[in-house]
Order: sequence, then structure tokens, then C-alpha cells
Amino acid sequence: QLPLQESGPGLVKPSETLSLTCAVSDGSMNISLYYWTWIRQPPGKGLEWIGTIYYSGNTFYNPSVKSRVTISVDTSKSQFSLQLTSVTAADMAVYYCARHRGFHSPFNSWGQGTLVTVSS
Amino acid sequence: DIVMTQSPDSLAVSLGERATINCKSSQSVLYTSTNRNYLAWYQQKPGQPPKLLIYWASTRESGVPDRFSGSGSGTDFTLTISSLQAEDVAVYYCQQYYTTPPFFGQGTRVEIK
Repeated sequence: QLPLQESGPGLVKPSETLSLTCAVSDGSMNISLYYWTWIRQPPGKGLEWIGTIYYSGNTFYNPSVKSRVTISVDTSKSQFSLQLTSVTAADMAVYYCARHRGFHSPFNSWGQGTLVTVSS
Repeated sequence: DIVMTQSPDSLAVSLGERATINCKSSQSVLYTSTNRNYLAWYQQKPGQPPKLLIYWASTRESGVPDRFSGSGSGTDFTLTISSLQAEDVAVYYCQQYYTTPPFFGQGTRVEIK
């Protein structure tokens, strides 16, 4: 079982808000070394970084989605979340949560991913 | 932004032969004060998340077979699979983590010839 697991609706209507949660099951969420990230992959395409959060709540977003995205963390529940507003068909993708040791570091642990379809 | 470009987009290699994937960054990802290249390689098999293979351009992640090696510095990097195995069929991505956003390459699909 992977220590990171995404959950949330698999179907979102256009113009509505996509909301996903990543549960961290190995106790690492309370370790200040780690940063927590969302990455997405449209079907058959490459990987796009969405944004990163530190346990303190500091966030860093991709300019391509910055006006629509919010990443939050709840260390008491060992989870972090993604909200993406005003979704369109271009937001349809497999969404991954990931962990890395330090901000400028590779993503060394990933969730299994969850497919979000945008359709009315 | 530092954009990553991989070549080729796909390649077919016979079992036991060498596979070589190239990755070029639009700017250097070498941090001179530490002499480290902020470059990683990932392997993604169908239906699975990416798996970290190599970081700092040439350091293998724990558990990664030694047939995988990374080389290069500055703007030009290479992932080599020294003897291709059937389980290595996958898409491989390079990624720079020098700046934000941390761009990935477009991916290289490796198949068996």
C-alpha cells in the first residue's frame, strides 16, 4: 500500500470546482523535512506540476493555474487538499499527490493517482 | 521557466541491448555552489504513478537496478539502460527541480524491438 492516497469525485461538471484530498498514512506529514505536491497528467500526455505546500501552510503554485487553485494542509488529519475552480475539459487528468524532501528536490513518493473527468 | 526537451520521443531496443534517452534543459540546472545538477529521471509504467529512478542527475534511488544510470551536467543529460529487460518497458521522464515551476520533459516511450 502506498503511503499517499488520493480521494475525491471522479466526475466534475464544467465551471464547477474540483476537490481532492491526499491522505498520508506513514506518519510523515508531521516531519518538517517534507513538502507536499499535486501533479496532474492529462490522458496520454505528460506531467504538469500544479502546486506545493509546506506543513506550515506556505504554498507555491504554477502560474498556469494560480488564479484557480488552492492547496491546503491539515496535519491533524494527516492530509492535504487541492481545490481547482472553474474547471474545463482541459482540466481532465489523472491527479497525483506526491512528497519530496525539501522544496527543490525530486518527487520520491507518489500516490496511485485519481482520474478526474470533466463533463456535464 | 526552465523547459525540458527529451529525445527521442520513442525508441525500440532489443532485449539485452542498451537504451539511451537524452534530456536537454533550456537553461543550466547546475547549482555551482554545491556542484549539483537539479535533474531527476522517472519511470512510468501503464496505470502506475511515476517512480523516481535517478536524482542529482546521476544518483540512483534506493532499490533501482544498477543497469539504470544517469549522466550529464549543465543543460544536457542522459539516462542509460545498459541491458534492457522486459520489465523496463515504460515511459521515462526527466524533470528539473532547480526552479519553479519544476518542468518535466515530454517523455520517451521505450519498447522492445
